[in-house]
Amino acid sequence: EAQVTQNPRYLITVTGKKLTVTCSQNMNHEYMSWYRQDPGLGLRQIYYSMNVEVTDKGDVPEGYKVSRKEKRNFPLILESPSPNQTSLYFCASRHGQGPYNSPLHFGNGTRLTVT
Amino acid sequence: GQQLNQSPQSMFIQEGEDVSMNCTSSSIFNTWLWYKQDPGEGPVLLIALYKAGELTSNGRLTAQFGITRKDSFLNISASIPSDVGIYFCAAPWGASKIIFGSGTRLSIRP
Repeated sequence: EAQVTQNPRYLITVTGKKLTVTCSQNMNHEYMSWYRQDPGLGLRQIYYSMNVEVTDKGDVPEGYKVSRKEKRNFPLILESPSPNQTSLYFCASRHGQGPYNSPLHFGNGTRLTVT
Repeated sequence: GQQLNQSPQSMFIQEGEDVSMNCTSSSIFNTWLWYKQDPGEGPVLLIALYKAGELTSNGRLTAQFGITRKDSFLNISASIPSDVGIYFCAAPWGASKIIFGSGTRLSIRP
């Protein structure tokens, strides 16, 4: 089944403790992206990747890192999480590297709480 | 950055009612997208619009690409309980971004 898989689904952590949220897609998509969803703000893009070893900042990249060493994986790294990073995170992928030409497929989300 | 203004923010409906929501921007877009997010899941694409004035249906859902290219509308006819969720408008921007509205949360009135 074609899908985007995020892990974990739920995570509670403390301020400053490094964490990684994994994302994997099995559709051979070039483009992958991370969003965070907050009430009243919709989905805001954190980072995106057009292909292996190519990553770029979205609208809210501060406090996050990503890597794209393999086509299928796009982990989101929080080196020193803070309470304002408490949010619902989504990974998404699509075919193509350039302008939009195919639908974004989303994972089921990771709910992160930082205390 | 670019912003999509979506309204209403939330609405309570009774089963069988028709629903309307819209999305506006100060910028012109060449594509409008409508997504739905069910509770506990990621958004799923409902309808994509590619041409000003275009009217596209997907079952009981109908979406329109505004003539000015600065807005889009989504209508749901004869709502049913499984229509509950958050509806997002979205639009591609530049070479690589897709920007999203803040969402319309649809709930069933008890």
